[in-house]
Amino acid sequence: AQSVTQPDIHITVSEGASLELRCNYSYGATPYLFWYVQSPGQGLQLLLKYFSGDTLVQGIKGFEAEFKRSQSSFNLRKPSVHWSDAAEYFCAVGSNSGGYQKVTFGTGTKLQVIP
Amino acid sequence: IAGITQAPTSQILAAGRRMTLRCTQDMRHNAMYWYRQDLGLGLRLIHYSNTAGTTGKGEVPDGYSVSRANTDDFPLTLASAVPSQTSVYFCASSDSTDSYGYTFGSGTRLTVV
Repeated sequence: AQSVTQPDIHITVSEGASLELRCNYSYGATPYLFWYVQSPGQGLQLLLKYFSGDTLVQGIKGFEAEFKRSQSSFNLRKPSVHWSDAAEYFCAVGSNSGGYQKVTFGTGTKLQVIP
Repeated sequence: IAGITQAPTSQILAAGRRMTLRCTQDMRHNAMYWYRQDLGLGLRLIHYSNTAGTTGKGEVPDGYSVSRANTDDFPLTLASAVPSQTSVYFCASSDSTDSYGYTFGSGTRLTVV
């Protein structure tokens, strides 16, 4: 069974500081991996996705993530955080399972940005 | 603007009542999904539909039903609401040509009392 762990429930960073959000996955084969962002009262928006190829994936809003098979990780990074990045971030793993695209989400990391 | 429309935005519902959450997309995506989001549990799949006319059960289907009469609409029905169905419900869709690239609606906040 596939699963995703986001070990940090809540993270606070200063505006302009760098950010790294952790994500570990469990899946037997090569996974499809995603990061989504959710602003308060909104649905989730896809930031980036990894299917294969280059292990460093660029996304929207200046985010990137690196797939490390040896560590079963897919951490999200941003070099300089803006106040507008305050939101909840979800890591997800996907596969074809039982006839549908099964996507399993982590429990999320809430990011607070302080001046 | 292309996307997913969910209605209502929020609802307070008496236990035992029937309720249908509406979801409409205008992107002609083949697949559609219903998730519920609960604090500390993340998003859990309730039901899905790979294409019009077909539906399937996700992780937490009990107490919910769906239909997919056409490509655009994917309503979720609670036949007899219970307080444990208090949650935020999200509808999502994806195109078979962009696997797993979900587009989400803005959600319906449902409170069952």
